[in-house]
Amino acid sequence: AQKVTQAQTEISVVEKEDVTLDCVYETRDTTYYLFWYKQPPSGELVFLIRRNSFDEQNEISGRYSWNFQKSTSSFNFTITASQVVDSAVYFCALSEGGNNFNKFYFGSGTKLNVKP
Amino acid sequence: DAGVIQSPRHEVTEMGQEVTLRCKPISGHDYLFWYRQTMMRGLELLIYFNNNVPIDDSGMPEDRFSAKMPNASFSTLKIQPSEPRDSAVYFCASTLGLAGEEQFFGPGTRLTVL
Repeated sequence: AQKVTQAQTEISVVEKEDVTLDCVYETRDTTYYLFWYKQPPSGELVFLIRRNSFDEQNEISGRYSWNFQKSTSSFNFTITASQVVDSAVYFCALSEGGNNFNKFYFGSGTKLNVKP
Repeated sequence: DAGVIQSPRHEVTEMGQEVTLRCKPISGHDYLFWYRQTMMRGLELLIYFNNNVPIDDSGMPEDRFSAKMPNASFSTLKIQPSEPRDSAVYFCASTLGLAGEEQFFGPGTRLTVL
């Protein structure tokens, strides 16, 4: 079974629209970490945010915000007032506790197209 | 500070040839990871090392693939013989190894096997 599911394969929006990228994870560990990465068309993978399982506070960074809900095992990412430069593939990832905490499980990614 | 360095950035080879991909992790990082990215399978972890020792190679697709880390600043991923289905982008990543720390990715090597 997939540990990280990103059900949205591709999303297209028009500039200035808000968009939410969904991420659902599965783990039995009580200690775990969640991450979001961005992969722009140039191809590199850029770290955006991490969240540990004990911190359910939502986070806002400029136009980006993240909603972590343990009750639904979700860690969703919202871009407010999207811009063309936000066009990229976004990956959600999970690392679990225990001895293998450095092993990341990546979702399949959501491709975001922001049109002018 | 230099990030993760990978070479070559692009590699085109013919089926049956040996291919060697190289990675230099960030200085001081104890963990090194090799990933493969394809449209069909997404981002797959192939193998990772801790202090130059392979910890988990369960993602290595078959015996044609091998990876080594002879020292803390260098790793190779070798494919011998290469096949067209090995065409992908191969990423190397490194991390200090602290719980919850992000992985730092290199720019990737785009491999095309004709």
